[in-house]
Amino acid sequence: QLQLQESGPGLVKPSETLSLTCTVSGGSISSSSYYWGWIRQPPGKGLEWIGSIYYSGSTYYNPSLKSRVTISVDTSKNQFSLKLSSVTAADTAVYYCARQLYYDILTGYSLPNWFDPWGQGTLVTVSS
Amino acid sequence: QSVLTQPPSASGTPGQRVTISCSGSSSNIGSNTVNWYQQLPGTAPKLLIYRNNQRPSGVPDRFSGSKSGTSASLAISGLQSEDEADYYCAAWDDSLNVVFGGGTKLTVL
Repeated sequence: QLQLQESGPGLVKPSETLSLTCTVSGGSISSSSYYWGWIRQPPGKGLEWIGSIYYSGSTYYNPSLKSRVTISVDTSKNQFSLKLSSVTAADTAVYYCARQLYYDILTGYSLPNWFDPWGQGTLVTVSS
Repeated sequence: QSVLTQPPSASGTPGQRVTISCSGSSSNIGSNTVNWYQQLPGTAPKLLIYRNNQRPSGVPDRFSGSKSGTSASLAISGLQSEDEADYYCAAWDDSLNVVFGGGTKLTVL
């Protein structure tokens, strides 16, 4: 059973860089059928997609965050990571990692699609 | 301001049928499949419906999804107290990003 676990500092100072890692267990991050994504949720608010990465390193980013986001993958460790620079209080959120279907065997389409499963999430607070 | 539009709240009594709408555009719902997520209080979101109307194993058949044009709907029949949660629709947008709805808080009265 595939599981994802986020890890990283729970407190980041304003203007610094937020760094999180997602460790995948029970399956390989190098599967050609999936992307791997980051999604966040500010307290009391809705979900916001941050970006997704393929095992080859190919990425898609949310246009509104693209200038500050870097997502990378380490296939040897079965991990992928998020870096968000120049953070402000508005970046305070629960950050989730999730597997994202890419190749839909039923339709034959290759397109980043649904997220399943999700990690439990980690709260990152931006404060001095 | 979310790209996909959902009502902020919905409610129903046990046993009732409730629907939640999700409105988008030709670049997202109109040309790609819609997925729905359920987020129970204090937990991570869980995939509820994928490919417009498919249920992952373990999801009761009380939950169903549909899509028409640039809109989609989630229906919950035989409403139960444990269905009280936040529900989100999402889709791939042809501008190369994932878009979510703002979420609908479902209250079971």
